[in-house]
Amino acid sequence: QSALTQPPSASGSPGQSVTISCTGTSSDVGRYNYVSWYQQHPGKAPKVMIYEVSKRPSGVPDRFSGSKSGNTAFLTVSGLQAEDEADYYCSAYGGSNNDNYAFGTGTKVTVL
Amino acid sequence: QVQLQESGPGLVKPSQTLSLTCTVSGGSISSGGYYWSWIRQHPGKGLEWIGYIYYSGSTYYNPSLKSRVAISIDTSKHQFSLKLNSVTAADTAVYYCARVVSSTLHFDYWGQGTLVTVSS
Repeated sequence: QSALTQPPSASGSPGQSVTISCTGTSSDVGRYNYVSWYQQHPGKAPKVMIYEVSKRPSGVPDRFSGSKSGNTAFLTVSGLQAEDEADYYCSAYGGSNNDNYAFGTGTKVTVL
Repeated sequence: QVQLQESGPGLVKPSQTLSLTCTVSGGSISSGGYYWSWIRQHPGKGLEWIGYIYYSGSTYYNPSLKSRVAISIDTSKHQFSLKLNSVTAADTAVYYCARVVSSTLHFDYWGQGTLVTVSS
């Protein structure tokens, strides 16, 4: 299962919105709703922000939202705040025949 | 609150075997509903899924690493382990252990990560 494709960078001013794409195939993103998004600050472990395409774990601000269209998933961060500056990775399940998981290439979000 | 902690040597010689252990606290490693996983991150790069294990011992591996990887579990010690043999400099990375929720297939708890350097 190949890595999912994300743009290397995205940016926005405080209060604005930014949307990150995650492109897979009809065997992973397009087939299953097991798409999740992770935030990683420098030197820290990743933290789940979205799972099953659009569900937010307890404690994650509702500024974070997820969606999917065809083979591409999206993470939108609304009302950008300074602490949102981080790397973001998507992940998708590709089925047991595809030996399970792929992560995205990662997107660096910069708050201007 | 579930916590995971990686442990093991930070330096491994080329051609040898990398061995790491993840200790789980605050939750049961032997209850159903979760897989126990290893993920790595090469310096300055993205995340790479290595594999995971169920409490029963069933394992699933990344095809690109499958020939060199073994993940095992010791429920009595609340631990699961990673062995990666025939390592090269390309295996230098931060290694994370994480819990996967089996019904939603996402990684909900992560260890802090441990840097393993392959060098003579």
